[in-house]
Amino acid sequence: DVKVTQSSRYLVKRTGEKVFLECVQDMDHENMFWYRQDPGLGLRLIYFSYDVKMKEKGDIPEGYSVSREKKERFSLILESASTNQTSMYLCASREGGPLYEQYFGPGTRLTVT
Amino acid sequence: SQQGEEDPQALSIQEGENATMNCSYKTSINNLQWYRQNSGRGLVHLILIRSNEREKHSGRLRVTLDTSKKSSSLLITASRAADTASYFCATDAGGGSEKLVFGKGTKLTVNP
Repeated sequence: DVKVTQSSRYLVKRTGEKVFLECVQDMDHENMFWYRQDPGLGLRLIYFSYDVKMKEKGDIPEGYSVSREKKERFSLILESASTNQTSMYLCASREGGPLYEQYFGPGTRLTVT
Repeated sequence: SQQGEEDPQALSIQEGENATMNCSYKTSINNLQWYRQNSGRGLVHLILIRSNEREKHSGRLRVTLDTSKKSSSLLITASRAADTASYFCATDAGGGSEKLVFGKGTKLTVNP
């Protein structure tokens, strides 16, 4: 079974802190994704990566950056956390293009105070 | 950009009844997928239907796709309390994009 793990289930950070969210997948998938999920807004794509060191902006990249140094790991970075970044963050991986299913991690609920 | 929109936003039924959720989308697609999310957890893939398919089954799930109406439906038969979850449709963004675009979901409650 594909496993996608995220470094924390719950995280509380202060405004202005630099925050790292880590995601690891164990199935050698090419594509990895970061979403945020907010009530009433559904899932919104922040960034995705289709290969090591390759990244592409999603729909809401402002305030975020990403890093993919190894195929199995995709990190989301909040350079200076703000309260409007309080959200559920979901990582996903996928073997190939959009005809493949996405495998999601359990999510990280981030609270910025 | 929002591609899929689920309807209804919330649905409450009794155990044993069937549950039907709908998804409408705006532009041409290559495939449409349905996912389930239990409260506070990640999403789990349920079923994928390609644009040249009209119906697909998986256990108690039945998905239909009508590309002329740009809509899909997910039917869960003989529902169980464990089916309580949010259900999302997702479509490819088109134009060769790698992205999937998710709807806002239907929250299903199955009462025992």
